[in-house]
Amino acid sequence: QITLKETGPTLVKPTQTVTLTCTFSGFSLTTDRVGVMWIRQPPGKALEWLALIYWDDDKRYSPSLRGRLTISKDTLKNQVVLTLTNTDPADTGTYFCARLYQGLDTWGQGTLVTVSS
Amino acid sequence: QSVLTQPPSVSAASGQKVTISCSGSNSNIGENHVSWYQQFPGTAPKLVIYDDEKRPSAIPHRFSGSKSDTSATLDITGLQTGDEADYYCGAWDSSLSAVVFGGGTKLTVL
Repeated sequence: QITLKETGPTLVKPTQTVTLTCTFSGFSLTTDRVGVMWIRQPPGKALEWLALIYWDDDKRYSPSLRGRLTISKDTLKNQVVLTLTNTDPADTGTYFCARLYQGLDTWGQGTLVTVSS
Repeated sequence: QSVLTQPPSVSAASGQKVTISCSGSNSNIGENHVSWYQQFPGTAPKLVIYDDEKRPSAIPHRFSGSKSDTSATLDITGLQTGDEADYYCGAWDSSLSAVVFGGGTKLTVL
């Protein structure tokens, strides 16, 4: 059974850096063509892609957030970490991680991050 | 403004068929695979179609996907009240080097 779970702070102040961790099980991020993606969803709004890391450590970032995002993986811990710097209230939303294999075939439950002073 | 365009809402009667469209361009739908996701309020999205038309094993045959040129379509037949959800299309955009999603379509089963 494949599972993913997002953890991180629920409340951050503007300009702070938020670090989110995706801990997964049931698959390995060393397997060919497998990736882990981060997606966020502001309250009542659409999905927004943030970043993607592949099994071979290839990394891709949303052009609109490039420079503020960093994605990394720890294959021994089965974790993918996303950091977002210089946060703003517009970064408030639910952050999901998902496995990319045949589409985004498995998602975590999401974690709500609120950026507010 | 989403790169992929979906109607904000669609509706159809229980038991009937509904079609949800997703319009893009050559750099996304035109040359890359499309996936579709179902999302109930307060929950994570769930994959219902990948690679334009393939269905995960747990997804009923009532769900089908297709693609033509720069547009993709999700069809749901035999509508049930349990199908009421938001549906999103997504694809890789080769020009943007980014994953792009549609704005989502709210399905109402009458």
